[in-house]
Amino acid sequence: NAGVMQNPRHLVRRRGQEARLRCSPMKGHSHVYWYRQLPEEGLKFMVYLQKENIIDESGMPKERFSAEFPKEGPSILRIQQVVRGDSAAYFCASSPVSGRDEQFFGPGTRLTVL
Amino acid sequence: AQRVTQPEKLLSVFKGAPVELKCNYSYSGSPELFWYVQYSRQRLQLLLRHISRESIKGFTADLNKGETSFHLKKPFAQEEDSAMYYCALSVKAAGNKLTFGGGTRVLVKP
Repeated sequence: NAGVMQNPRHLVRRRGQEARLRCSPMKGHSHVYWYRQLPEEGLKFMVYLQKENIIDESGMPKERFSAEFPKEGPSILRIQQVVRGDSAAYFCASSPVSGRDEQFFGPGTRLTVL
Repeated sequence: AQRVTQPEKLLSVFKGAPVELKCNYSYSGSPELFWYVQYSRQRLQLLLRHISRESIKGFTADLNKGETSFHLKKPFAQEEDSAMYYCALSVKAAGNKLTFGGGTRVLVKP
């Protein structure tokens, strides 16, 4: 089991462009969580998804941010019209179908907005 | 809403000395508490959780509901313990999303 995969590991965008971050959960995991870590801060919850459903998006900004976890393929966190304040590390975590609450983290995507 | 506080951003200790990382939380119900660790160039990984009540790599943490604390302790720090440590809380009713503290960097000097 390769663990949670995230790509790209580093992403550079200019202000106004779109950023797409991908997360492939561990095999057999159908729960995905996205967290954001701003410089010098802890991780903050953004969104929780199960296959084809958004369960909790209470931590996600209402504008410009969206997330999906389709039946096939990775989960995608999409940021439209990026601004400098979006520069952060974005982490994805997955947990098993069984509902065990241990979350396994990916290596993160570091987004830099110029 | 739940909140986790780690008052120390940096803890510097000598090898063989005890180390204690403080974690306080606020939540009125029964949360689950975790310690996650991130070694240099590695991903965040679970170190221990309060329900398992076990010692991992010599670390222990006791949940004190009266003081709403979950401090992490190790009696004899090793150089390989140098890392970022995050205390986190989850609530089943909230889909088990994790609320993290700001993290404590531990530096163990030889």
